[in-house]
Amino acid sequence: DGGITQSPKYLFRKEGQNVTLSCEQNLNHDAMYWYRQDPGQGLRLIYYSQIVNDFQKGDIAEGYSVSREKKESFPLTVTSAQKNPTAFYLCASSLAGTTPTDYEQYFGPGTRLTVT
Amino acid sequence: DAKTTQPPSMDCAEGRAANLPCNHSTISGNEYVYWYRQIHSQGPQYIIHGLKNNETNEMASLIITEDRKSSTLILPHATLRDTAVYYCIVRVAPLQGGSEKLVFGKGTKLTVNP
Repeated sequence: DGGITQSPKYLFRKEGQNVTLSCEQNLNHDAMYWYRQDPGQGLRLIYYSQIVNDFQKGDIAEGYSVSREKKESFPLTVTSAQKNPTAFYLCASSLAGTTPTDYEQYFGPGTRLTVT
Repeated sequence: DAKTTQPPSMDCAEGRAANLPCNHSTISGNEYVYWYRQIHSQGPQYIIHGLKNNETNEMASLIITEDRKSSTLILPHATLRDTAVYYCIVRVAPLQGGSEKLVFGKGTKLTVNP
């Protein structure tokens, strides 16, 4: 089946450690996104990428890094510089066209990261 | 900041229609209204979108007022599985290349009761 996978579903780390969250899609989508969600809040954009080897910062990029070496993959690294890394992280993908339907974003199941 | 206003919570009886309102009084002429929902601890799911005409698909109907300053998402026969947070989103200007940045507010938590 086509879709987006994120792994692992739950992740625990000690403070001061970098951690990488996986996101893979087989929808042949050009654009991929990373969002962060805190309890009771909406989603906030961390990074996005429209094509391979290119990505841009979102609203809350500080303390995070990404790479886009393959169209299917968009891993997110939460670095030790991120002050409050504990959150629910969601990856999404979409076409990068110009019609409203192209903007429909497909979301993965999310990774819940806990840093202690 | 989100460009929409939604009530924080609503209740609906199973089998009845759920009508979720959204205010977007500052919407621009070329901006679409999108609805997503998020079931607890899952990724958001696209429901429907519209510009100015009413829209219907297999999941829901979207009613947009003539002045486009508000809209209502209608789930015609709500089930327990429709319990979720529903987000009304106005599409911001496309980013370079056409990909979209979605701005999520806090949404409306809909609880469908048996």
